[in-house]
Amino acid sequence: AQSVTQLDSHVSVSEGTPVLLRCNYSSSYSPSLFWYVQHPNKGLQLLLKYTSAATLVKGINGFEAEFKKSETSFHLTKPSAHMSDAAEYFCVVSDSEGSYIPTFGRGTSLIVHP
Amino acid sequence: DGGITQSPKYLFRKEGQNVTLSCEQNLNHDAMYWYRQDPGQGLRLIYYSQIVNDFQKGDIAEGYSVSREKKESFPLTVTSAQKNPTAFYLCASSIRLVLGTGELFFGEGSRLTVL
Repeated sequence: AQSVTQLDSHVSVSEGTPVLLRCNYSSSYSPSLFWYVQHPNKGLQLLLKYTSAATLVKGINGFEAEFKKSETSFHLTKPSAHMSDAAEYFCVVSDSEGSYIPTFGRGTSLIVHP
Repeated sequence: DGGITQSPKYLFRKEGQNVTLSCEQNLNHDAMYWYRQDPGQGLRLIYYSQIVNDFQKGDIAEGYSVSREKKESFPLTVTSAQKNPTAFYLCASSIRLVLGTGELFFGEGSRLTVL
C-alpha cells in the first residue's frame, strides 16, 4: 500500500539559510507526489507536484523538490528561508494501488528564526 | 472567486449532540473529501465522494456520516457515536479522482470542540 514518511516532525532554521524538509514514500506503482503548506488554522495550499514528468519540480515561493526513484524520496528545498515560510508542510502520495486517494504524511513544522 | 467554503469556522458542542459541518464548492469538481486533522497525525481521511449520490468510507469513518445530494455540497455530520470528536476538520475537492494527478483544493477548515 502507498505510504509516505516525513522524517522530521520539526525543522528549525535561521532566516536566509537553506531549508530541507525530507520525505520518503512507498509505492508499487508510478506515484504522483505533492507538497502542501498549511499556515495556522488555515486550509492547505499546494506548493508543487510531481506527476512523472521532470524529476526536478519547481513550485511557488521559491520551493523545489526532486523525485529520486532509487531512493524513494521527494525532499523539499528552498535556498533561503523567509520568516513567512514558517508553517506546517505535508508530503502526499497518490497512486493507482491506493485508488488514487491521496495519503498524507504526518507533517513537518518549519520554524524560522530571525 | 472559485473555491471551497466551510462553515462554521468554530463550533462548540456538548457531548451527545450531533453536529453538521458544511462544505460547498463552486469549482465544478467531481470529487470531494473530508479529512480530520489532529496535532502530529497529519490528515486522516473520513469520507470521500467521486460523484453525486455516491460516497465511500475513508480510514476513520466510524462516528461520521455524509451525503452528496448536489455536486457542490458535501456536508459532514459528526454523530454522538464519535468518541473523540474534538479536532480540526478540512474539506477538499479535486477535478476527479481517477486521474490521480490532480491537485486538492482545501477549505479554511472547521474547528470542533466538544465541551
